[in-house]
Amino acid sequence: DAMVIQNPRYQVTQFGKPVTLSCSQTLNHNVMYWYQQKSSQAPKLLFHYYDKDFNNEADTPDNFQSRRPNTSFCFLDIRSPGLGDAAMYLCATGIPGQGFNEQFFGPGTRLTVL
Amino acid sequence: DAKTTQPPSMDCAEGRAANLPCNHSTISGNEYVYWYRQIHSQGPQYIIHGLKNNETNEMASLIITEDRKSSTLILPHATLRDTAVYYCIVSATGANNLFFGTGTRLTVIP
Repeated sequence: DAMVIQNPRYQVTQFGKPVTLSCSQTLNHNVMYWYQQKSSQAPKLLFHYYDKDFNNEADTPDNFQSRRPNTSFCFLDIRSPGLGDAAMYLCATGIPGQGFNEQFFGPGTRLTVL
Repeated sequence: DAKTTQPPSMDCAEGRAANLPCNHSTISGNEYVYWYRQIHSQGPQYIIHGLKNNETNEMASLIITEDRKSSTLILPHATLRDTAVYYCIVSATGANNLFFGTGTRLTVIP
C-alpha cells in the first residue's frame, strides 16, 4: 500500500545532541510537510518542501532544519535539541495542484529529550 | 486562513450519530472546509472536505450552511474506533498549509 513512513517511531536524545528524524513516501507526492505536535496541542506546521523548494514558517526556530534529497525522502534535523523540543513530529505529503489540500500523514516520531 | 471554533469535547453513544459542529464565520469564497481526525498516538487522517455543497463519503457527511459560516460533520453510526480528536480546518484553494485549531475530542461511549 502507498504510504508515508516515519522512522524511528520513538527517538530519545540528549539535551544539545543533534538528532535527525526520517520520513519516506511511496505516494510520489510533490509536497512534503513537517509538523510539530506537543502534548495535548494541535499539530503546528514547521516547514514544507514543494518539490525542491523549501518553505519555512515564520516562527519556526533556526534550530530546526530540513533536507529533501529526492522525491521520496525528507529529513528533519534538530541541531541542538532542548527540553522544549520534546514532541511528536509528523510528516505529511500532499498534491496541492489538485485544487484542494488533502494531506497524508505518517504515524509520527515521538522525540524525548533527556 | 480563516479561523475555526469547535467545542473542546463531546460524547456520543455507540451506534448513534455523532454531530460535530464548527464555526468559521470569517471564511472566504475560495476557502474549503476540511475535516481531519487524529486517533490517539497516530497521525491525523483526512475525513472529508467541501466548498459549498453538502458532501458524503464512506466515512462521514459534511453539512455546510448556506452562508458557509458554519458546518457540521456527521458520523452516522459512531463506533468505539471513532474516538479521536476531530479538527475542522479552513484552507484556501491550492494552499499548501493546514492550520490546525484545538479540535473536538469525541468520546464514543459503549
